[in-house]
Amino acid sequence: GIQVEQSPPDLILQEGANSTLRCNFSDSVNNLQWFHQNPWGQLINLFYIPSGTKQNGRLSATTVATERYSLLYISSSQTTDSGVYFCAVEGAGGYNKLIFGAGTRLAVHP
Amino acid sequence: NAGVTQTPKFRVLKTGQSMTLLCAQDMNHEYMYWYRQDPGMGLRLIHYSVGEGTTAKGEVPDGYNVSRLKKQNFLLGLESAAPSQTSVYFCASSFPDTGRQFMNTEAFFGQGTRLTVV
Repeated sequence: GIQVEQSPPDLILQEGANSTLRCNFSDSVNNLQWFHQNPWGQLINLFYIPSGTKQNGRLSATTVATERYSLLYISSSQTTDSGVYFCAVEGAGGYNKLIFGAGTRLAVHP
Repeated sequence: NAGVTQTPKFRVLKTGQSMTLLCAQDMNHEYMYWYRQDPGMGLRLIHYSVGEGTTAKGEVPDGYNVSRLKKQNFLLGLESAAPSQTSVYFCASSFPDTGRQFMNTEAFFGQGTRLTVV
């Protein structure tokens, strides 16, 4: 089945710093989403981005489907950005069944 | 518009007990899913449904059963709970993928149910 690899696994930032999170996937995909899991465990939709570039405030994402990767950019990080960031792609067999990466754990310190 | 709502939020079970987790969505989505998340890991698909009255197995279906009697509800059952089923359970829903080039198939998740089996 499709493999999803996220890097780095852990990231520590000072407030105000910028960062780039990467998601590599092993096959072509029809759906790719980025999620933020906050310290309370809630999964928050960040981007639905099977291809192209999107921006939402300090966050932006780019998916290059032909090269099988996606990037999540966080600019001017804040302590509220802390948590785990997951990339998920649609697996084999359709029906939008998502296969999740292991996540990038981000800690932003004041 | 509540989105995806899971009931209960927390539960402690003894080994061998049974329980049902309820997921309700008010977005008229066709597809619904149950995932589990174990510490330090991403989510893994347990079962899913592509419409009312249909269910199918995901990556880790053993020990679970599901039902989709109404379009808006998806139930996850544990007939005889085991400590290995201690986990956080997430429900999700999305649109069908028919004609997906014109349709947003973004999945939306509930707030999770933390289950401990002792």
